[in-house]
Amino acid sequence: DAKTTQPPSMDCAEGRAANLPCNHSTISGNEYVYWYRQIHSQGPQYIIHGLKNNETNEMASLIITEDRKSSTLILPHATLRDTAVYYCIGEEYGNKLVFGAGTILRVKS
Amino acid sequence: GAGVSQSPRYKVAKRGQDVALRCDPISGHVSLFWYQQALGQGPEFLTYFQNEAQLDKSGLPSDRFFAERPEGSVSTLKIQRTQQEDSAVYLCASKAVFSGANVLTFGAGSRLTVL
Repeated sequence: DAKTTQPPSMDCAEGRAANLPCNHSTISGNEYVYWYRQIHSQGPQYIIHGLKNNETNEMASLIITEDRKSSTLILPHATLRDTAVYYCIGEEYGNKLVFGAGTILRVKS
Repeated sequence: GAGVSQSPRYKVAKRGQDVALRCDPISGHVSLFWYQQALGQGPEFLTYFQNEAQLDKSGLPSDRFFAERPEGSVSTLKIQRTQQEDSAVYLCASKAVFSGANVLTFGAGSRLTVL
């Protein structure tokens, strides 16, 4: 069972990097870690995922510890539009994504 | 279409009424998922389809909830005899292929309010 733990909320100054932590100590060796975000009144939006190695795409970077018990999502230059709930998600057998409560990220000018 | 389309966006029902929520996935996407999101909570899995086959319905909260995808494209989530606790946003998502990473595209959701 891929349960994850995230802080309930974080603040970040506009233009600075936002570093969102996630603990997933129960994740198994072949389970991906996914990050999605949800802006108010919209559906969740995929950001990035990873298994063992660090990953980077046009939206963010994902740093996964060597023991795979935790990860950090990095938004390199946060903007006001990045204010959202960020979900760190494990997957259960059978294609199910298990969302937790997420982290509310507030980007402030 | 370009994205996942859900209708209606907002639905108000009286307790005991039946409701039907529609999802149009991205054209050609094989997998389709339904999630329920209560106010202030993360989405919770309800059910998913591969083409027309419903492979997992373990998250459906009661036998009042029923989902179908008869031709492997459009899906309908039906809730019979609605109760106040059914009030939530119902999210639909689709994925291009069955296997591989769970990169889902979500719709904006249907907000159901049961009075």
